[in-house]
Amino acid sequence: DAGVTQSPTHLIKTRGQQVTLRCSPKSGHDTVSWYQQALGQGPQFIFQYYEEEERQRGNFPDRFSGHQFPNYSSELNVNALLLGDSALYLCASSLWTGGNTGELFFGEGSRLTVL
Amino acid sequence: SQQGEEDPQALSIQEGENATMNCSYKTSINNLQWYRQNSGRGLVHLILIRSNEREKHSGRLRVTLDTSKKSSSLLITASRAADTASYFCATRDDSWGKLQFGAGTQVVVTP
Repeated sequence: DAGVTQSPTHLIKTRGQQVTLRCSPKSGHDTVSWYQQALGQGPQFIFQYYEEEERQRGNFPDRFSGHQFPNYSSELNVNALLLGDSALYLCASSLWTGGNTGELFFGEGSRLTVL
Repeated sequence: SQQGEEDPQALSIQEGENATMNCSYKTSINNLQWYRQNSGRGLVHLILIRSNEREKHSGRLRVTLDTSKKSSSLLITASRAADTASYFCATRDDSWGKLQFGAGTQVVVTP
């Protein structure tokens, strides 16, 4: 049973560039959430996708955008990168069962460094 | 901003000892969850406790929840070197799906 897979695992960008991160949810899951984790901090919620729509959004600027595809996989796009965007980006999947209050299954993350 | 705050920030114990960490949160919740993270990798779900539950066990883990004090504790009994990790509490309010994490407790278990 495939778990949550993310790509790439590491990447380095320069300020002002754009980045796309990818996530495939655990088999059978239909909901994908993205989190940003700065060094030494807890994960911060970016947004959540279900049925190809953004369902919830955290306190992140419009530079952060996402997409969910019909096969439930998802992308996170960040435009006009800032040094402060350097972080571990985590994708989490779950099953939307009338409220989605259960546990999340996380991928290993994409480590983004902005120079 | 983070909903939960873990205490202590760091904990160092020897194998066989118990490890206790606490989590306080600010608003009403639907459930509270604990996750483990090894060396900046992905998070692994440990246990979920609902707002109408007071205590829950899973293997060597025991979680308590006191909604009147807006606090939870995680106890790891008979710790092992493999328990070395960061532990995070995360809460869900009545909204759909968003988990709010604390800053975590870094636990080091020495043989």
